[in-house]
Amino acid sequence: GAGVSQSPRYKVAKRGQDVALRCDPISGHVSLFWYQQALGQGPEFLTYFQNEAQLDKSGLPSDRFFAERPEGSVSTLKIQRTQQEDSAVYLCASSSKVGLKVNEQFFGPGTRLTVL
Amino acid sequence: KQEVTQIPAALSVPEGENLVLNCSFTDSAIYNLQWFRQDPGKGLTSLLLIQSSQREQTSGRLNASLDKSSGRSTLYIAASQPGDSATYLCYKAAGNKLTFGGGTRVLVKP
Repeated sequence: GAGVSQSPRYKVAKRGQDVALRCDPISGHVSLFWYQQALGQGPEFLTYFQNEAQLDKSGLPSDRFFAERPEGSVSTLKIQRTQQEDSAVYLCASSSKVGLKVNEQFFGPGTRLTVL
Repeated sequence: KQEVTQIPAALSVPEGENLVLNCSFTDSAIYNLQWFRQDPGKGLTSLLLIQSSQREQTSGRLNASLDKSSGRSTLYIAASQPGDSATYLCYKAAGNKLTFGGGTRVLVKP
């Protein structure tokens, strides 16, 4: 596709439920990022993939959060046993460049997760 | 902890006025700084990317400057239009960390 796509766009989960959020990056982009954006705040970095390798997961808030990109293209962010504080917009971004130095990221529309 | 601060948090101006948005950061080590706009319910759209070796970038009515010594970047939007209403975010890449500011919500009134 022409841009980064994410699905679902909206997800409502009951507390304790597991959720899986999908990101389809721009074709051929080697770098993929996940961010969490709470209401009224800027995005916060969660994790970074270079192809299929997860090089940085320092931003994941707890071991309930897990991300994968097994074939170096589509990525899934999984949240186990969701809590109300997990409610946020989850943004995915991709880049044709490797690493952070000379980087321009292209963002998807995000998935708005609401945990009841 | 790296901090990126955007002040003001919200700004309302009449159409035609110039906009000045500020982004400050505590750590002068920087690879690049990027400005985005975010519209409600949508993702981020890149506006301007300034490499650490550059002092400014321009695109149309937009101009972004970078002063690493003072830890500051400024986004200027000339002759604002109602379509410029959005949240503007700055983002700093340094080391292996990517840090966004909290954003400035801009409303341009017709």
